Amino acid sequence: KAGVTQTPRYLIKTRGQQVTLSCSPISGHRSVSWYQQTPGQGLQFLFEYFSETQRNKGNFPGRFSGRQFSNSRSEMNVSTLELGDSALYLCASSFEGGWQYNEQFFGPGTRLTVL
Amino acid sequence: KQEVTQIPAALSVPEGENLVLNCSFTDSAIYNLQWFRQDPGKGLTSLLLIQSSQREQTSGRLNASLDKSSGRSTLYIAASQPGDSATYLCAVPNSGYALNFGKGTSLLVTP
Repeated sequence: KAGVTQTPRYLIKTRGQQVTLSCSPISGHRSVSWYQQTPGQGLQFLFEYFSETQRNKGNFPGRFSGRQFSNSRSEMNVSTLELGDSALYLCASSFEGGWQYNEQFFGPGTRLTVL
Repeated sequence: KQEVTQIPAALSVPEGENLVLNCSFTDSAIYNLQWFRQDPGKGLTSLLLIQSSQREQTSGRLNASLDKSSGRSTLYIAASQPGDSATYLCAVPNSGYALNFGKGTSLLVTP
C-alpha cells in the first residue's frame, strides 16, 4: 500500500512569509507526527495528532501550528518565517499512536529554505 | 528526560565487513526501540522495531538487540554492501507520543 506522502517536496520562502506543509498518512493510520530535522539539532519533535486532536507539542514557538482532518491528513503551518526555520520537515504516521508498540513510518519530507 | 546517544558518529568500512552500530539511552523504562535508515536528503526508512519484551529482532542481514537494563541497543549489519551507505538512527518513544532520536551514525561502505 502507499506510504506516507508529503507535499510539496521543496519550498523556498523569504523571511516573514508563512508556509503550509501537507502530510497524508498511510491508509488506516490515525496518528500523525511532525518533526524538524536540522544539521545542528538533529530530529526534533513538533507535535502529534490523533483523531483530529493534538495530543502533544514539542518545544517550539507558537509560530508553529498544525491540524488534522477527519481523513487523518495533516497540515502544519509556520508563520512569520525566520532563517532558522530552514530545515527538512518530516511527517510520520502510525496505526494507533500509542507509544507502546506502534511502528512509525516516515514520509520523504519537505525541504524548506528561508531566504 | 530521555537522552539517546549513538556511537560512533561516522564509520567507514570496506565492502563485505560485518559491523555493529551502537545506541544508548538514559531511561531504561522504554516500551520499544526503532532503528531507521536515512539516505541523504531523504526521509527515514524503518528498519526494525524491537519491543521491550524482546531481546533481538532480525530482518535479512540486519539484527538488532536490546538490553534495557544497561540502556543499550546494537544494530548488526552482516556482509556490508556499498548500498548500505546511509545514516542510521535509533529512536525510543516517550510517554508523550514523540520519538527521541539519537544524532545518528553515518556509514560509508567502500567497494
